[in-house]
Amino acid sequence: AQTVTQSQPEMSVQEAETVTLSCTYDTSENNYYLFWYKQPPSRQMILVIRQEAYKQQNATENRFSVNFQKAAKSFSLKISDSQLGDTAMYFCAFIDTSGTYKYIFGTGTRLKVLA
Amino acid sequence: GAGVSQSPSNKVTEKGKDVELRCDPISGHTALYWYRQSLGQGLEFLIYFQGNSAPDKSGLPSDRFSAERTGGSVSTLTIQRTQQEDSAVYLCASRGTGVSYNEQFFGPGTRLTVL
Repeated sequence: AQTVTQSQPEMSVQEAETVTLSCTYDTSENNYYLFWYKQPPSRQMILVIRQEAYKQQNATENRFSVNFQKAAKSFSLKISDSQLGDTAMYFCAFIDTSGTYKYIFGTGTRLKVLA
Repeated sequence: GAGVSQSPSNKVTEKGKDVELRCDPISGHTALYWYRQSLGQGLEFLIYFQGNSAPDKSGLPSDRFSAERTGGSVSTLTIQRTQQEDSAVYLCASRGTGVSYNEQFFGPGTRLTVL
């Protein structure tokens, strides 16, 4: 079975500092995508960043970047220059694009940015 | 264009009543997903519609839950004889097209409270 594991239920970081959220996954497939979603208290899920498994280059979106280690099945999210608005739940997600197209979500990491 | 919309935003009902939750996906999106999110938890897959194919209902927790999608657009999730354990936020998402083909776009959710 395909699984996504986020081992950090809660984290905190000082404003302007850098924080890394961990995610590991398990699959036997080669064709898949990985995502990080942000869910602020307003509960609207927002895509932060995505990574295609066939791409070796790590995805970046402004202050957000990932460290994608395909062999290790690891997909961590780095947030640089943390801002108060980054306070949210962060979910790692996986989709197998060669199969069912069902998304698998991790249990989330609650990030609090401290002023 | 407009994003995914859901209605109602909040629903309070009494145990044993039936409820209907509505989702309007982004126009042109053929894939639609329903998830359940209990307080502070991750996303639990419920059901997935793709075009005219038979829906993947493998995540529905009991036969009290059903969903339909009319005309390949609007979807309704129905919960019959609601129980207190059904209290949760119900999220709907549609999957993008083109360059966003593997990306999910989420609605704001419906918070269901069963008294």
